[in-house]
Amino acid sequence: AQTVTQSQPEMSVQEAETVTLSCTYDTSESDYYLFWYKQPPSRQMILVIRQEAYKQQNATENRFSVNFQKAAKSFSLKISDSQLGDAAMYFCAYSYAGKSTFGDGTTLTVKP
Amino acid sequence: EAQVTQNPRYLITVTGKKLTVTCSQNMNHEYMSWYRQDPGLGLRQIYYSMNVEVTDKGDVPEGYKVSRKEKRNFPLILESPSPNQTSLYFCASSLSAGDGPYEQYFGPGTRLTVT
Repeated sequence: AQTVTQSQPEMSVQEAETVTLSCTYDTSESDYYLFWYKQPPSRQMILVIRQEAYKQQNATENRFSVNFQKAAKSFSLKISDSQLGDAAMYFCAYSYAGKSTFGDGTTLTVKP
Repeated sequence: EAQVTQNPRYLITVTGKKLTVTCSQNMNHEYMSWYRQDPGLGLRQIYYSMNVEVTDKGDVPEGYKVSRKEKRNFPLILESPSPNQTSLYFCASSLSAGDGPYEQYFGPGTRLTVT
């Protein structure tokens, strides 16, 4: 079974600074998809960024970017110019053929 | 408005009393899935459906049933709920699964308490 590990239960960052959230996963597949979702206190799940495993280029969405290292099975999320609205729980997720596995989450605090 | 709806949003029930949590999406999505979220454990997949009449087990299917008779609906059935099924449940849908990194759209969640 696939596993997703987020080794940082909590992280904090100063407003306008940069923070990186870690994610590693385990799989024997070669073509799969990876995602980062954000869950604010409202509990609504919001897609932050996505990556296809067969694409070597790291995905970028405005202030959010990933460092995808396929051989190392690592998929970290970098948030640049952190804003107060970025404070939330962040989940890393792996998906293959309909099965989805989420990490346990990282709670991000943004300090003004 | 494109959305995934779940009902009820909150439910308190007793052990053994059968219940159904409904999930409906209006985006003509092929793929639907159920998750439970417990403190410190992230989201765990219960069941998923790649299309009508096609369902499969996720990581934690014990004690749950699903059916997919229509494309838009994917109800979650607890035949005999137990206290360890107390959790926050999310339904999600996406255009497809397995052939692209399609975003999953999540419902607002159902908070279930089994006493």
